Amino acid sequence: EAGVTQFPSHSVIEKGQTVTLRCDPISGHDNLYWYRRVMGKEIKFLLHFVKESKQDESGMPNNRFLAERTGGTYSTLKVQPAELEDSGVYFCASSQARASGEGEQFFGPGTRLTVL
Amino acid sequence: RKEVEQDPGPFNVPEGATVAFNCTYSNSASQSFFWYRQDCRKEPKLLMSVYSSGNEDGRFTAQLNRASQYISLLIRDSKLSDSATYLCVVNDLSSGAGSYQLTFGKGTKLSVIP
Repeated sequence: EAGVTQFPSHSVIEKGQTVTLRCDPISGHDNLYWYRRVMGKEIKFLLHFVKESKQDESGMPNNRFLAERTGGTYSTLKVQPAELEDSGVYFCASSQARASGEGEQFFGPGTRLTVL
Repeated sequence: RKEVEQDPGPFNVPEGATVAFNCTYSNSASQSFFWYRQDCRKEPKLLMSVYSSGNEDGRFTAQLNRASQYISLLIRDSKLSDSATYLCVVNDLSSGAGSYQLTFGKGTKLSVIP
């Protein structure tokens, strides 16, 4: 079974540019999460989709970040315009919904974003 | 105050040694607890869940003390392949949001030396 995939693996852009990250969750996983690790800090939650709906976006840093999951399959995270402090590794995770709660969150390999 | 706090290490131990990691969390309402393992430049992977009764998986033993808000991981008979960063992770059901967001510690780096 294919795991969570993310594209691109690396992205280097200049301040002010736009970047779009993509995440393909494990097939059949309704829950999709975005997390971010800024250098020297812990991995932090950004937002959570259940199918195509945003369940929780309390971790989104500001309105320069826009996440979508049209059709409830893959998700995109757009940063526009990018700032230096947006540099870091962006992880996507997915999990199955269960009657007793939520299943294990499986992480993708991450996208390493560098803003110059 | 950090939500999940861990000793960053590094812990440098010889093969065969026993090593223990500790972690504290600040949210007394936290519901689920995990140890994740992260290899260099890789994604975090679930190592094991942590239960109040304590649980063991081969050479790994995890313990949870809810009263002290303290989580531990013990690795016995360390192998070279155990070298990685170990992340203490707490799952809080966000109030009103129904979201199982994970809260991570910064991780403890372990190097097992031949």
